[in-house]
Amino acid sequence: EDKVVQSPLSLVVHEGDTVTLNCSYEVTNFRSLLWYKQEKKAPTFLFMLTSSGIEKKSGRLSSILDKKELFSILNITATQTGDSAIYLCAVEETSGSRLTFGEGTQLTVNP
Amino acid sequence: SAVISQKPSRDICQRGTSLTIQCQVDSQVTMMFWYRQQPGQSLTLIATANQGSEATYESGFVIDKFPISRPNLTFSTLTVSNMSPEDSSIYLCSVEGGRAQETQYFGPGTRLLVL
Repeated sequence: EDKVVQSPLSLVVHEGDTVTLNCSYEVTNFRSLLWYKQEKKAPTFLFMLTSSGIEKKSGRLSSILDKKELFSILNITATQTGDSAIYLCAVEETSGSRLTFGEGTQLTVNP
Repeated sequence: SAVISQKPSRDICQRGTSLTIQCQVDSQVTMMFWYRQQPGQSLTLIATANQGSEATYESGFVIDKFPISRPNLTFSTLTVSNMSPEDSSIYLCSVEGGRAQETQYFGPGTRLLVL
């Protein structure tokens, strides 16, 4: 059975801190790994990673995938209160495009 | 990315009743999916909505409880039947356009409370 494990489950930091969120996975037919940010209801897309070692970057957020060790990290530098959200990691299979989600990391950034 | 809308955005229902949730996309998409997110938990795939054929359900979900329609490439409905308080969740539709390296985008979600 496919499995996605995120850590930590929750994290409280102060504005300006840098955080690293972890995602490890076990999946039979790996196609891609995706990161989403969920603030209210709808997850909003952050990154899709398909190749090892290639960093994806968007502003203060960056992510990288290690397909050999089966994990990914999401980094957020100079955190702001608006970064407070649940960050979800999901793995997509080659067959049928189904996504398997991790439990998420609840990030709280205090002023 | 596609623009996705869902109706209703939220509802409070009595146990034993049914609710149909609509998902509309502003462009034709190949794949549409329905997810459930129970309170304090992550997203779980209910089914893949196939255009012109029966939906493909994940383990633990059945058509009698969650009938799905997909009449065309821009629209789908999910019905939550014979509801119980355990069905209180956020229900989300997502779409994938079908181009190479296309990812999944989510609709705004429907928050359902069953009393």
